[in-house]
Amino acid sequence: GESVGLHLPTLSVQEGDNSIINCAYSNSASDYFIWYKQESGKGPQFIIDIRSNMDKRQGQRVTVLLNKTVKHLSLQIAATQPGDSAVYFCAETRLGNYKLTFGKGTLLTVNP
Amino acid sequence: NAGVTQTPKFRVLKTGQSMTLLCAQDMNHEYMYWYRQDPGMGLRLIHYSVGEGTTAKGEVPDGYNVSRLKKQNFLLGLESAAPSQTSVYFCASSLSGGGTGELFFGEGSRLTVL
Repeated sequence: GESVGLHLPTLSVQEGDNSIINCAYSNSASDYFIWYKQESGKGPQFIIDIRSNMDKRQGQRVTVLLNKTVKHLSLQIAATQPGDSAVYFCAETRLGNYKLTFGKGTLLTVNP
Repeated sequence: NAGVTQTPKFRVLKTGQSMTLLCAQDMNHEYMYWYRQDPGMGLRLIHYSVGEGTTAKGEVPDGYNVSRLKKQNFLLGLESAAPSQTSVYFCASSLSGGGTGELFFGEGSRLTVL
């Protein structure tokens, strides 16, 4: 069936480095994508979203890139900080559909 | 602003027992959702509501019931708990529907069924 997957389950970076978290999706009909951050013991927190008519969107220290040709999504975090340590989920849906399909998550660890 | 509040935060049940999880939001959101999170499986949608008095099935609705009698509350019920329902349950709400916009999540309710 259709699924959202991640290339790497864990990522370890040094404080101050840039982080790149990748996500592959298989449903070509998906046209809306979201990244969520989940800190230990807490609920997921929205980071950034992107629609399929865009290939790049920037937020504060974060950038999401969408490559529809290869069905790939990435989240770039600039100048990674210890507070960025968390599990990051990508999610996909079709606009008008209430069901978000979440990926399994990538654990980002930031080393001081 | 409390946002989305879930009660209880922890619960242990025996197989066959029933319970209700309560979700309350104070943001006047129309849309509310219940997800479950299991290790290695991400979040999966159980049921959702597009407004007061409405409910709809999500991806994994079997064994659960929901009610939305008041706009600010969304209740998730387990009539006869099974070990397979051991999970962390998250409630969420959103201002916009149709899959767009930010979901605001509660801090989760950890349920163990023995």
